[in-house]
Amino acid sequence: EAGVTQSPTHLIKTRGQQATLRCSPISGHTSVYWYQQALGLGLQFLLWYDEGEERNRGNFPPRFSGRQFPNYSSELNVNALELEDSALYLCASSGTSGIQGSYNEQFFGPGTRLTVL
Amino acid sequence: TQLLEQSPQFLSIQEGENLTVYCNSSSVFSSLQWYRQEPGEGPVLLVTVVTGGEVKKLKRLTFQFGDARKDSSLHITAAQPGDTGLYLCAGRYNQGGKLIFGQGTELSVKP
Repeated sequence: EAGVTQSPTHLIKTRGQQATLRCSPISGHTSVYWYQQALGLGLQFLLWYDEGEERNRGNFPPRFSGRQFPNYSSELNVNALELEDSALYLCASSGTSGIQGSYNEQFFGPGTRLTVL
Repeated sequence: TQLLEQSPQFLSIQEGENLTVYCNSSSVFSSLQWYRQEPGEGPVLLVTVVTGGEVKKLKRLTFQFGDARKDSSLHITAAQPGDTGLYLCAGRYNQGGKLIFGQGTELSVKP
């Protein structure tokens, strides 16, 4: 069974540009999560999509946005890139919507390394 | 603010030694996951613990969830160089879907 896939592997942009990162979840998974792993800051939750809707958002500015498509794949867009946006962006998927009281294990992709110059 | 404190941050040991990594929070988790991450790759799920007091074993790795579901530990017996990597604990609360991650423990096992 194929795991979570992400593209591109690496992305180099300059300040002020926009970046688009893509994620395909494990087949059958409907929830997609985005995390940022910046040096020294650990993994920080960005966004959660389920069934095409944004369900939760982390403490990030509106420049970070995304969407989920009918096939459950997802896109993360980062506008007006800043130097501190340089990080590994990780996508994870889980099997069912995160209803209260349930636990749905999240499986991660290999990430997209974004470098902002 | 929901925080997860993980310790130690760095651990360098010799092959054959035992070690324990700790993960603590002031909040109660609905579940807690342990992941291992290699450089340039995404985290790989090792185990999920759900019930207070639960103990799970994965070969030489033993995971324990505290009775109050606020803390967890990972114990590795007779560490091997192949155990080298970044170990992450991540807690999930009832709402929001997101995982709260600890800062990670960078483990280096020397032959």
